[in-house]
Amino acid sequence: QVVLTQSPSASASLGASVKVTCSLSSGHSSYSIAWHQQQPEKGPRFLMKLNSDGSHSKGDGIPDRFSGSSSGAERYLTISSLQSEDEADYYCQTWGTGIEVFGGGTKLTVL
Amino acid sequence: EVQLVESGGGLVQSGGSLRLSCAASGFTFTSYGMSWVRQAPGKGLEWVSTITGSGGNTYYGDSVKGRFTVSRDNSKNTVFLQVNGLRAEDTAVYYCAKVDRISAPGMFDYWGQGTLVTVSS
Repeated sequence: QVVLTQSPSASASLGASVKVTCSLSSGHSSYSIAWHQQQPEKGPRFLMKLNSDGSHSKGDGIPDRFSGSSSGAERYLTISSLQSEDEADYYCQTWGTGIEVFGGGTKLTVL
Repeated sequence: EVQLVESGGGLVQSGGSLRLSCAASGFTFTSYGMSWVRQAPGKGLEWVSTITGSGGNTYYGDSVKGRFTVSRDNSKNTVFLQVNGLRAEDTAVYYCAKVDRISAPGMFDYWGQGTLVTVSS
């Protein structure tokens, strides 16, 4: 069964860039994932679908500052030109036969 | 514009039941699976259940199997979650999410705003 692992926290300065990582468990490096953002006191918001080859498709209205990339079993979300509203929890999600899986989430602090 | 609006949450005693609803609009409802995801206070997202576009297949997370039942009324563009045998650990905000394909499971591409379920012991 696929497992997604995320670092609990990340931080970066206003205007800088940050890369958030989601790791797929052994044997699942070909899986696509989705990235979701959850701002404080709000529901989640779909950011993008990210494939194993690094190709990605973003959700409605997601700014160009958000991009994705892949390397082996690692899936990355990069946010450039950080803004205060980017301070949020970021979750990766994948799916398999009869199951949906979330990573534990990464809390991003904008300094 | 896709909209998902949950309702039916509330305060219920341990062992009690609730029926959550999610009204969908802005897309062809029968062409997509639908899911429920919950978030306990201060915790991460937990997948609860998924139903395919036709309603013919349903899937559940281990923590709710045998207690929760997902269903849909395609004539009313609504998905339901019947939650029985509620426990304190079921206290959470319950979100409805649209799956990106008819043959769920799959990626969640739209989310509702959530409905809060609080279980008192």
